[in-house]
Amino acid sequence: QVQLVQSGAEVKIPGASVKVFCKTSGYTFTSHAIHWVRQAPGQRLEWMGWIHTGNGNTIYSQNFQDRISFTRDPSASTAYMELNSLRFEDTAVYSCARDRGLQYYDMDVWGQGTTVTVSS
Amino acid sequence: DIQMTQSPSSLSASVGDRVTITCRASQNIASYLNWYQCKPGKAPKLLIYAASNLQTGVPSRFSGSGSVTDFTLTISSLQPEDFATYYCQHSYSTPVTFGQGTKLEI
Repeated sequence: QVQLVQSGAEVKIPGASVKVFCKTSGYTFTSHAIHWVRQAPGQRLEWMGWIHTGNGNTIYSQNFQDRISFTRDPSASTAYMELNSLRFEDTAVYSCARDRGLQYYDMDVWGQGTTVTVSS
Repeated sequence: DIQMTQSPSSLSASVGDRVTITCRASQNIASYLNWYQCKPGKAPKLLIYAASNLQTGVPSRFSGSGSVTDFTLTISSLQPEDFATYYCQHSYSTPVTFGQGTKLEI
């Protein structure tokens, strides 16, 4: 079945970077884009951006424009999210989610989430 | 950015009840509206896409309606497994945004 499996929890100090992977299986990786969404404690879901898994094109939320990078490795059916210059307020659960296609901008299958804690 | 506002923020109901959650967009989003169910420690689940289309595998007691700026999610007869938090999300343009959530409690 379709699965998105993410890397494990991370604890980082302010100013560091974190890289989360999202390994997919059960479908053709390049037929569905990948979104990244985060949820800070007590907050609503926040869309971080999207990567076209075929050509690697990206759209980033302006909230993260200068600090974020999405990449993908089609040979490994895996997408990656790197967030730099971490702040305390970046403490959140980060999730990858599959687009229903390449550009529907809805999300039909989600990863289990990766908790990132920013603490000194 | 398009703002999404849900009401109510929380709702108490009983098994067998009919429940309606509303979502309002700050501008016209046609039918580009999706609904998700979230439970603690579990991956979110897509329930409804494009305002009224039931995602494969979702029980038929869930339904969605609306267009332009006003949308509803209806659960016709609540089951114990339906107690969760529900989010709307527009997919009209980027950045996509979510509502603040509606927590459905027993």
